[in-house]
Amino acid sequence: IQMTQSPSTLSASVGDRVTITCRASQSISSWLAWYQQKPGKAPKLLIYKASSLESGVPSGFSGSGSGTEFTLTISSLQPDDFATYYCQHYNEYPVTFGQGTKVEIK
Amino acid sequence: EVQLVESGGGLVQPGGSLRLSCVASGFTFNSYWMGWVRQAPGKGLEWVANINQDGTEKVYVDSVKGRFAISRDNAKNSLFLQMNSLRAEDTAVYYCARPSLSSGSYFDYWGQGTLVTVSS
Repeated sequence: IQMTQSPSTLSASVGDRVTITCRASQSISSWLAWYQQKPGKAPKLLIYKASSLESGVPSGFSGSGSGTEFTLTISSLQPDDFATYYCQHYNEYPVTFGQGTKVEIK
Repeated sequence: EVQLVESGGGLVQPGGSLRLSCVASGFTFNSYWMGWVRQAPGKGLEWVANINQDGTEKVYVDSVKGRFAISRDNAKNSLFLQMNSLRAEDTAVYYCARPSLSSGSYFDYWGQGTLVTVSS
């Protein structure tokens, strides 16, 4: 299963509402996770099962979608949110990740 | 506090071998599947392998089948990745990661990573 994220890069300002899209090459039901990764650091789980917020993750992050189309939304971009975001399906093996979306400062 | 600490990375020649280790703490290690995920320099994430709680079930990405072997020692809370016949394209940071207990193979905790460089 191939995962395709768009856009690859996103320029935004603090306070902006940001949406990242992830598309699966076939239906994955809701078996989708989102991660945030900062340079030189390990990924951090944000969302699982498409829309469930991981414990400790700010409520400004939300996920939606099912089947083949999914979105990650940041309601109001904070300085700490500038990072690269990855989606990952876990519908079957091999689990695969999207290519990443870098959110940078406008 | 859950901690995963990898070691064993380094520079190795093409065709060589390397064994990565990951020591886990802060959770009941033998209750969880465990896995390895890698990231080539400047690239995205690639799942490599998972192993079940007692080591009897192992799953690999096609590109490493027959060359890499995942294993674990529950008495020592340790996860391993034996990498043989290494290629330049195996150059990456290798992360030890814990699949969630709830359902499916998404990863709720990650180590800091260990860099493997395959070059002559």
